[in-house]
Amino acid sequence: EIVLTQSPGTLSLSPGERATLSCRASQSVSSSYLAWYQQKPGQAPRLLMYGASSRATAFPDRFSGSGSGTDFTLTISGLEPEDFAVYYCQDYGSSRTFGQGTKVEIK
Amino acid sequence: EVQLLESGGGLVLPGGSLRLSCAASGFTFSSYTMTWVRQAPGKGLEWVSSISGDGGNTYYAGSVKGRFTISRDNSKNTMYMQMNSLRAEDTAVYYCARAGDYMALLVYWGQGNMVTVSS
Repeated sequence: EIVLTQSPGTLSLSPGERATLSCRASQSVSSSYLAWYQQKPGQAPRLLMYGASSRATAFPDRFSGSGSGTDFTLTISGLEPEDFAVYYCQDYGSSRTFGQGTKVEIK
Repeated sequence: EVQLLESGGGLVLPGGSLRLSCAASGFTFSSYTMTWVRQAPGKGLEWVSSISGDGGNTYYAGSVKGRFTISRDNSKNTMYMQMNSLRAEDTAVYYCARAGDYMALLVYWGQGNMVTVSS
Protein backbone atom coordinates (compact mmCIF):
# COMPACT_ATOMS: atom_id res chain seq x y z
CA GLU A 1 0.00 0.00 0.00
CA ILE A 2 1.27 3.43 -0.92
CA VAL A 3 1.56 5.83 2.01
CA LEU A 4 1.11 9.52 1.22
CA THR A 5 2.75 12.05 3.52
CA GLN A 6 1.67 15.68 3.26
CA SER A 7 3.63 18.64 4.50
CA PRO A 8 3.40 20.93 6.22
CA GLY A 9 0.57 19.92 8.52
CA THR A 10 -0.55 23.53 8.79
CA LEU A 11 0.31 26.50 6.61
CA SER A 12 -0.38 29.94 8.07
CA LEU A 13 -0.53 32.57 5.36
CA SER A 14 -2.16 35.88 4.56
CA PRO A 15 -4.55 36.52 1.66
CA GLY A 16 -2.61 37.21 -1.50
CA GLU A 17 0.34 35.05 -0.51
CA ARG A 18 1.48 31.95 -2.36
CA ALA A 19 0.79 28.54 -0.84
CA THR A 20 2.92 25.50 -1.64
CA LEU A 21 1.67 22.13 -0.40
CA SER A 22 3.66 18.91 -0.70
CA CYS A 23 2.54 15.30 -1.05
CA ARG A 24 5.21 12.61 -0.95
CA ALA A 25 4.48 8.95 -1.75
CA SER A 26 6.26 5.93 -0.29
CA GLN A 27 6.32 4.36 -3.76
CA SER A 28 5.90 5.74 -7.24
CA VAL A 29 2.32 6.73 -8.05
CA SER A 30 1.47 5.02 -11.31
CA SER A 31 0.77 7.23 -14.31
CA SER A 32 0.52 10.26 -12.03
CA TYR A 33 -2.83 9.07 -10.66
CA LEU A 34 -2.57 11.70 -7.97
CA ALA A 35 -5.55 13.83 -6.99
CA TRP A 36 -6.07 16.77 -4.65
CA TYR A 37 -9.27 17.55 -2.76
CA GLN A 38 -10.34 20.67 -0.91
CA GLN A 39 -12.47 20.45 2.22
CA LYS A 40 -14.00 23.31 4.16
CA PRO A 41 -15.41 22.94 7.68
CA GLY A 42 -18.71 21.09 7.78
CA GLN A 43 -18.61 20.34 4.06
CA ALA A 44 -17.84 17.33 1.94
CA PRO A 45 -14.52 17.29 0.11
CA ARG A 46 -14.42 18.57 -3.48
CA LEU A 47 -12.19 17.28 -6.24
CA LEU A 48 -9.67 19.98 -7.08
CA MET A 49 -6.96 18.38 -9.18
CA TYR A 50 -6.43 15.04 -10.92
CA GLY A 51 -3.70 13.46 -12.98
CA ALA A 52 -1.36 15.51 -10.78
CA SER A 53 -1.86 18.67 -12.85
CA SER A 54 -5.36 18.76 -14.37
CA ARG A 55 -7.63 21.19 -12.62
CA ALA A 56 -11.31 20.47 -12.01
CA THR A 57 -13.56 22.94 -13.84
CA ALA A 58 -14.96 24.54 -10.70
CA PHE A 59 -11.58 25.86 -9.61
CA PRO A 60 -9.76 28.94 -10.93
CA ASP A 61 -6.34 28.92 -12.50
CA ARG A 62 -4.61 30.23 -9.40
CA PHE A 63 -4.57 26.55 -8.41
CA SER A 64 -1.92 24.44 -10.10
CA GLY A 65 -0.49 20.99 -9.57
CA SER A 66 2.79 19.41 -10.52
CA GLY A 67 4.99 16.43 -9.89
CA SER A 68 5.44 12.80 -10.80
CA GLY A 69 6.72 9.59 -9.31
CA THR A 70 6.83 10.16 -5.57
CA ASP A 71 6.80 13.95 -5.23
CA PHE A 72 3.80 16.15 -5.94
CA THR A 73 2.98 19.78 -5.26
CA LEU A 74 -0.19 21.85 -5.11
CA THR A 75 0.36 25.57 -5.51
CA ILE A 76 -2.11 28.36 -4.91
CA SER A 77 -0.61 31.43 -6.53
CA GLY A 78 -2.44 34.09 -4.55
CA LEU A 79 -4.66 33.06 -1.69
CA GLU A 80 -8.24 34.27 -1.72
CA PRO A 81 -10.37 34.18 1.44
CA GLU A 82 -12.33 31.18 0.11
CA ASP A 83 -9.14 29.13 -0.32
CA PHE A 84 -8.51 28.70 3.39
CA ALA A 85 -9.37 25.05 3.89
CA VAL A 86 -7.85 21.60 4.31
CA TYR A 87 -6.29 19.96 1.26
CA TYR A 88 -5.84 16.22 0.82
CA CYS A 89 -3.88 14.31 -1.78
CA GLN A 90 -4.97 10.85 -2.91
CA ASP A 91 -3.48 8.03 -4.93
CA TYR A 92 -6.39 6.91 -7.07
CA GLY A 93 -4.40 4.52 -9.20
CA SER A 94 -3.73 1.66 -6.86
CA SER A 95 -3.95 2.09 -3.11
CA ARG A 96 -6.80 4.67 -3.09
CA THR A 97 -5.25 6.10 0.08
CA PHE A 98 -5.33 9.71 1.17
CA GLY A 99 -2.64 11.83 2.73
CA GLN A 100 -3.29 13.16 6.23
CA GLY A 101 -4.09 16.65 4.96
CA THR A 102 -2.62 20.16 5.04
CA LYS A 103 -4.62 22.91 6.66
CA VAL A 104 -4.20 26.32 5.07
CA GLU A 105 -5.18 28.87 7.68
CA ILE A 106 -5.32 32.63 7.81
CA LYS A 107 -2.29 34.15 9.48
CA GLU B 1 -27.36 17.52 -11.68
CA VAL B 2 -25.62 14.71 -9.82
CA GLN B 3 -26.99 14.21 -6.33
CA LEU B 4 -25.92 11.72 -3.68
CA LEU B 5 -27.87 11.42 -0.44
CA GLU B 6 -26.68 9.27 2.42
CA SER B 7 -28.99 7.93 5.13
CA GLY B 8 -29.08 5.31 7.85
CA GLY B 9 -26.50 6.66 10.26
CA GLY B 10 -26.98 7.12 13.97
CA LEU B 11 -25.89 5.88 17.37
CA VAL B 12 -25.12 2.19 17.80
CA LEU B 13 -23.62 0.09 20.58
CA PRO B 14 -20.18 -1.48 20.15
CA GLY B 15 -20.61 -4.84 18.46
CA GLY B 16 -23.83 -3.68 16.82
CA SER B 17 -24.84 -3.31 13.18
CA LEU B 18 -26.00 -0.54 10.92
CA ARG B 19 -26.82 -0.21 7.22
CA LEU B 20 -26.03 2.95 5.34
CA SER B 21 -27.72 3.87 2.07
CA CYS B 22 -26.68 6.26 -0.68
CA ALA B 23 -29.45 7.30 -3.06
CA ALA B 24 -28.14 8.63 -6.37
CA SER B 25 -29.74 10.73 -9.08
CA GLY B 26 -28.78 12.80 -12.08
CA PHE B 27 -26.66 10.19 -13.86
CA THR B 28 -26.73 6.62 -15.15
CA PHE B 29 -26.04 4.92 -11.85
CA SER B 30 -25.05 1.52 -13.22
CA SER B 31 -22.25 3.05 -15.29
CA TYR B 32 -20.14 4.20 -12.37
CA THR B 33 -18.07 2.77 -9.57
CA MET B 34 -19.29 4.01 -6.21
CA THR B 35 -17.25 4.46 -3.06
CA TRP B 36 -17.59 5.00 0.69
CA VAL B 37 -15.11 7.30 2.40
CA ARG B 38 -15.17 8.08 6.11
CA GLN B 39 -13.80 10.80 8.32
CA ALA B 40 -13.44 10.38 12.06
CA PRO B 41 -14.10 13.52 14.13
CA GLY B 42 -11.24 15.97 13.63
CA LYS B 43 -9.32 13.52 11.45
CA GLY B 44 -8.52 13.02 7.79
CA LEU B 45 -10.20 11.08 5.02
CA GLU B 46 -10.10 7.28 4.88
CA TRP B 47 -11.16 5.28 1.83
CA VAL B 48 -13.41 2.46 3.06
CA SER B 49 -14.84 0.51 0.13
CA SER B 50 -15.71 0.64 -3.57
CA ILE B 51 -18.05 -1.31 -5.83
CA SER B 52 -17.99 -1.51 -9.61
CA GLY B 53 -20.92 -0.39 -11.72
CA ASP B 54 -22.35 -3.86 -12.18
CA GLY B 55 -21.66 -4.82 -8.58
CA GLY B 56 -19.38 -7.62 -9.64
CA ASN B 57 -16.21 -6.25 -8.08
CA THR B 58 -15.85 -4.98 -4.54
CA TYR B 59 -12.87 -3.59 -2.66
CA TYR B 60 -12.32 -2.96 1.04
CA ALA B 61 -9.85 -1.24 3.30
CA GLY B 62 -8.10 -3.61 5.66
CA SER B 63 -9.68 -1.88 8.65
CA VAL B 64 -13.19 -2.96 7.64
CA LYS B 65 -12.64 -6.15 5.65
CA GLY B 66 -14.73 -8.99 6.99
CA ARG B 67 -17.00 -6.64 8.95
CA PHE B 68 -18.44 -4.31 6.28
CA THR B 69 -20.21 -5.35 3.07
CA ILE B 70 -20.77 -2.98 0.17
CA SER B 71 -23.59 -3.63 -2.30
CA ARG B 72 -25.77 -1.80 -4.79
CA ASP B 73 -29.21 -2.07 -6.35
CA ASN B 74 -29.02 -0.53 -9.80
CA SER B 75 -32.80 -0.76 -10.21
CA LYS B 76 -33.14 1.59 -7.24
CA ASN B 77 -30.07 3.75 -7.96
CA THR B 78 -28.89 3.03 -4.46
CA MET B 79 -25.66 1.84 -2.85
CA TYR B 80 -25.46 0.27 0.58
CA MET B 81 -22.92 -0.43 3.29
CA GLN B 82 -23.81 -3.12 5.80
CA MET B 83 -21.65 -2.51 8.86
CA ASN B 84 -21.36 -5.32 11.42
CA SER B 85 -19.27 -5.79 14.58
CA LEU B 86 -18.96 -2.04 14.90
CA ARG B 87 -16.17 -0.60 17.02
CA ALA B 88 -15.61 2.79 18.60
CA GLU B 89 -12.99 3.51 15.93
CA ASP B 90 -15.68 3.22 13.24
CA THR B 91 -17.21 6.45 14.55
CA ALA B 92 -17.07 8.86 11.64
CA VAL B 93 -18.94 10.79 9.01
CA TYR B 94 -19.48 8.42 6.11
CA TYR B 95 -19.52 9.93 2.63
CA CYS B 96 -20.64 8.23 -0.53
CA ALA B 97 -18.90 9.32 -3.69
CA ARG B 98 -19.13 8.68 -7.40
CA ALA B 99 -16.12 7.93 -9.53
CA GLY B 100 -15.10 9.65 -12.72
CA ASP B 101 -13.10 8.08 -15.51
CA TYR B 102 -11.04 6.17 -12.96
CA MET B 103 -12.77 4.07 -10.39
CA ALA B 104 -11.13 5.65 -7.37
CA LEU B 105 -11.17 9.28 -8.56
CA LEU B 106 -13.99 10.78 -6.51
CA VAL B 107 -15.69 13.40 -8.62
CA TYR B 108 -19.00 13.80 -6.78
CA TRP B 109 -19.63 13.51 -3.05
CA GLY B 110 -22.65 13.32 -0.83
CA GLN B 111 -22.96 15.51 2.24
CA GLY B 112 -22.14 12.70 4.63
CA ASN B 113 -23.91 10.77 7.37
CA MET B 114 -22.69 10.44 10.94
CA VAL B 115 -22.20 7.05 12.55
CA THR B 116 -21.43 6.99 16.27
CA VAL B 117 -20.40 3.77 17.98
CA SER B 118 -20.64 4.22 21.71
CA SER B 119 -22.08 2.66 24.82
